[in-house]
Amino acid sequence: EKVMTQSPATVSVSPGERATLSCRASQSVSSNLAWYQQKPGQAPRLLIYGASTRATGIPARFSGSGSGTEFTLTISSLQSEDFAVYYCQQYNNWPLTFGQGTKLEIK
Amino acid sequence: EVQLVESGGGLVQPGGSLRLSCSASGFTFSSYAMHWVRQAPGKGLEYVSAISSNGGSTYYADSVKGRFTISRDNSKNTLYLQMSSLRAEDTAVYYCVRRVAGTVLSGAFDIWGQGTMVTVSS
Repeated sequence: EKVMTQSPATVSVSPGERATLSCRASQSVSSNLAWYQQKPGQAPRLLIYGASTRATGIPARFSGSGSGTEFTLTISSLQSEDFAVYYCQQYNNWPLTFGQGTKLEIK
Repeated sequence: EVQLVESGGGLVQPGGSLRLSCSASGFTFSSYAMHWVRQAPGKGLEYVSAISSNGGSTYYADSVKGRFTISRDNSKNTLYLQMSSLRAEDTAVYYCVRRVAGTVLSGAFDIWGQGTMVTVSS
């Protein structure tokens, strides 16, 4: 099983600033990596797939990069609605696995 | 509007059974692989099961293999998860999810239902 490790567990950032979230795979997952956003009481929402492709309707301030074992989600200028929990997910191999999440808090 | 609506959750005793349903609308259900993902209270996301667009291929996480059965009825645009021998650790919100359009079973999930809560407790 490929273990996905996200860091940090919690990050505090001020509105308007840049946030950088990391996800590391225990073995290569190629570019088969997705990012999701989840707000309290809501289902997750797909942000990025294929490591760097924005899903339909996702603002350009969200960007993904990386391949192999190291991945990054960058939010270029944080808006109030961006404060949430973010998960990465690999779909290169079974079982599909998620990271434990990074909570993005308002500083 | 593309939508997934789960139903069938509730309180069940350990060892009991439950069947979840997921009704799809707004897209050609029979063209998409479908999955179940769960989330225990206050915890992260856990992958559960998958089924191909025609129902011919399925996959189960080790934690549910032999106890859960995924199926679909494309004539009714409905996905199912039959759960048996339920344990306390199966307590979670269960999400029905659609795989991003593609030819293989695995993938990212672009549409999520609102989830249905399953509580296993005596």
